[in-house]
Amino acid sequence: GENVEQHPSTLSVQEGDSAVIKCTYSDSASNYFPWYKQELGKRPQLIIDIRSNVGEKKDQRIAVTLNKTAKHFSLHITETQPEDSAVYFCAPMDTGRRALTFGSGTRLQVQP
Amino acid sequence: GAVVSQHPSWVICKSGTSVKIECRSLDFQATTMFWYRQFPKQSLMLMATSNEGSKATYEQGVEKDKFLINHASLTLSTLTVTSAHPEDSSFYICSASGLAGIGDTQYFGPGTRLTVL
Repeated sequence: GENVEQHPSTLSVQEGDSAVIKCTYSDSASNYFPWYKQELGKRPQLIIDIRSNVGEKKDQRIAVTLNKTAKHFSLHITETQPEDSAVYFCAPMDTGRRALTFGSGTRLQVQP
Repeated sequence: GAVVSQHPSWVICKSGTSVKIECRSLDFQATTMFWYRQFPKQSLMLMATSNEGSKATYEQGVEKDKFLINHASLTLSTLTVTSAHPEDSSFYICSASGLAGIGDTQYFGPGTRLTVL
């Protein structure tokens, strides 16, 4: 099965700084790479995703980069704001199996 | 679009009773629904995958006789926790993925917090 490692487990940044979270996976069949944001007691929300035929994708302050050879992908948040504070999960997927395997999560705290 | 609802949002029950949780896709047909469990400050763990009209596929270590899953239609899946015990207390979240236009993206329900006394 898929083995997913996510780092760091906690990340504290000052408002306006950038944050980077890295996810490493083991299954070479994985071809869909989403990032989810979860606020306390709420559902995970998809914030950005990338497929294996693309190396980078950007959506305003959020970007995801993928290195399929090294089997890792990263979430980049620029100009962080206090409302970015949440837990972020990577969840690579083998679209043949259609099951997400969640990383352990990164608690991001943006200090105003 | 792509809204998933869950009911109830929270439930408290006595040990030994059964609890049913519903997951509905409101504006799309969900060919596949997934059930996850999340303990406090932990990640989401996939429990089972269900396809409409067929038996659910359970992850290793998940008791299929304890966590009964039914996916009778393209918009509804239910999870029944049978003979619940305090260790079953958790946050249960469903997700759904559908047909063309949504593809592999999973949309999550708001979750159900189960507390077993």
